[in-house]
Amino acid sequence: DAGVIQSPRHEVTEMGQEVTLRCKPISGHDYLFWYRQTMMRGLELLIYFNNNVPIDDSGMPEDRFSAKMPNASFSTLKIQPSEPRDSAVYFCASSFPPYHRTGGAGTEAFFGQGTRLTVV
Amino acid sequence: AQSVTQPDIHITVSEGASLELRCNYSYGATPYLFWYVQSPGQGLQLLLKYFSGDTLVQGIKGFEAEFKRSQSSFNLRKPSVHWSDAAEYFCAVGADRDDKIIFGKGTRLHILP
Repeated sequence: DAGVIQSPRHEVTEMGQEVTLRCKPISGHDYLFWYRQTMMRGLELLIYFNNNVPIDDSGMPEDRFSAKMPNASFSTLKIQPSEPRDSAVYFCASSFPPYHRTGGAGTEAFFGQGTRLTVV
Repeated sequence: AQSVTQPDIHITVSEGASLELRCNYSYGATPYLFWYVQSPGQGLQLLLKYFSGDTLVQGIKGFEAEFKRSQSSFNLRKPSVHWSDAAEYFCAVGADRDDKIIFGKGTRLHILP
């Protein structure tokens, strides 16, 4: 398997523009997570999906952010309109069900290479 | 909700010296715990994980970690570091009340030649 694939790797955009980040999880993984990494706040969980359904979006900073998972092999994180403070590295990760749901066969999250977003 | 604290933002050790990176978690029930490493410009790679059983877990690249429930800690250790270990290290905790994996803010490891 190629692992979690994110695109683009780098994105530079002007303030006010719409930005769409893409993620292809590992085939067979039921869970998909979106994280944002900044120097100040570290790795923040934005939202996660189970079987394509958003379960918890309490980490999404504001209404300008939205995430979708139309099928098991694709997810998007959209920022509209973008602002300079959205500049960060955005990671997508996927996993099988966690430990407590598998009776002992839980796994870790596998991360993509990230998308470095710069909003100018 | 669970949380993770990594008290050291930066640590510098000499090549060949031993290493211990600290991690404390907050969670009312049994957590499951991870250590990840991130090299510059890269994603996160799992070093090791603890779900249950033996509290001393072995990972890749010669790393190990010990789960101490009484201290709410999961410190990462390596007996002798190599220059290639210079990276950022993240401790993470998952919980059995939800499916979130929450990360600490990371510790950046610097290696002196």
